[in-house]
Amino acid sequence: DQQVKQNSPSLSVQEGRISILNCDYTNSMFDYFLWYKKYPAEGPTFLISISSIKDKNEDGRFTVFLNKSAKHLSLHIVPSQPGDSAVYFCAATSGGGADGLTFGKGTHLIIQP
Amino acid sequence: DGGITQSPKYLFRKEGQNVTLSCEQNLNHDAMYWYRQDPGQGLRLIYYSQIVNDFQKGDIAEGYSVSREKKESFPLTVTSAQKNPTAFYLCATDRGSTDTQYFGPGTRLTVL
Repeated sequence: DQQVKQNSPSLSVQEGRISILNCDYTNSMFDYFLWYKKYPAEGPTFLISISSIKDKNEDGRFTVFLNKSAKHLSLHIVPSQPGDSAVYFCAATSGGGADGLTFGKGTHLIIQP
Repeated sequence: DGGITQSPKYLFRKEGQNVTLSCEQNLNHDAMYWYRQDPGQGLRLIYYSQIVNDFQKGDIAEGYSVSREKKESFPLTVTSAQKNPTAFYLCATDRGSTDTQYFGPGTRLTVL
C-alpha cells in the first residue's frame, strides 16, 4: 500500500522549458513534504520542502506547490538545465519526522538539448 | 569537512554471511536512519535512532540489526536472515527537531 505515489516513472523535457514533477499521497497525517534529487550510485540530495501550512515554497529555479485537499504536490523547475537530469523523489512525513520519511518510487527526469 | 560517511562504497559477500555497513557523521545530528533502495523503487526505512542507545524498527527491519553506542555512528548489520540483501543502502541524519534528512553517499551491497 503506497502512501506516496509518483505515477510518472520518467519525464522528458527540453532544455530551457519548465519541468513539472507530480506526487500524490494518501496519508492525511503527512504534514511535511520534501523533494530529493538523486544520481545513480549516490545518496539523494535535498532540494526543497514544504510544510502543510503553506501552499507554495520557492527556492531559485525550484518551486513546490501543495494542494492539501487533493493530496497532491508538484515540483516545478524552470528553466530546466542539463544538470537537472536525475531521478527525483518525493517524500513525506508527519509528527516532526521522528519516524523517518516515506518515499515515492521516483521520476526520472531527462533534459534534452 | 562536515558530512556523512558510508563505507565501503561497494561490498560483496557470500550468501549466509553477516555483513556490517558503516555510517559515521560529524554533523552533530541527533537522529540517524537507514534506508534501502532497490531498482525502480523508492527508499524504504529499515531502522532509525533518535538518540544514543535507542533505536526503532522501520518498515522492513526483518533480517537487519543496528546499534547506536555513539552519537556519530549508526552501523547496520545485514544478517543471513535477510532474504534479499542485495541492494543500495543509504544512511541519513537530521537534527531531530527538523524534518529535513541529509543522506550519505550509500553502500552497494551485492550478495553472491
